[in-house]
Amino acid sequence: DTVLTQSPALAVSPGERVTISCRASESVSTLMHWYQQKPGQQPKLLIYKASNLASGVPARFSGSGSGTDFTFTIDPVEADDIATYYCHQSWNSPTFGGGTKLELK
Amino acid sequence: EVQLVESGGGLVQPGRSLKLSCAASGFTFSNYYMAWVRQAPTKGLEWVASITNSGGSTYYRDSVKGRFTISRDNAKSTLYLQMDSLRSEDTATYYCTTDDQVRGFAYWGQGTLVTVSS
Repeated sequence: DTVLTQSPALAVSPGERVTISCRASESVSTLMHWYQQKPGQQPKLLIYKASNLASGVPARFSGSGSGTDFTFTIDPVEADDIATYYCHQSWNSPTFGGGTKLELK
Repeated sequence: EVQLVESGGGLVQPGRSLKLSCAASGFTFSNYYMAWVRQAPTKGLEWVASITNSGGSTYYRDSVKGRFTISRDNAKSTLYLQMDSLRSEDTATYYCTTDDQVRGFAYWGQGTLVTVSS
């Protein structure tokens, strides 16, 4: 299985720019997607195919990358963005990263 | 509006069976691949199984192969997950999702909790 590695947690202040990384153990082309999950809620798709904004998602969210290295950016961060963010690859048998918990400084 | 509503979760003893359902509305169900994704308490997301739009092909993670069966009834716009020989490590919230290789897991239900314990 393709292993996806994310940093476990980041502390941010509203108004800042934050970047979350996701590294794949093998190339997944651009078949990488990003989700937001708030406590007690289901995940929500934000970015698909590495850099495409899902419907209704604010332009503060963006993604980039290909092959094995991907980044997800929020600029500027708002208080409502405090959540856990997961990357997911669909190049082969689907796998998720361990999640990055965004916390307030 | 797309809606996915899971049901069938609950407390079950190890070794027993449970069948989850997911009722879909607001989109043409028969056009979409579907999947189940689970999340153990305080843990991350884990793909469980997927099924093609016709139901002709199914895919499973290794840890559930031979124990879980994904199926669908396109006439009823409903997705199922039959879970047999349940283990404590299957304890999780199970989410029903649409599944597209390019667009990811675009739509999610609210989840149903399965607890495997004696």
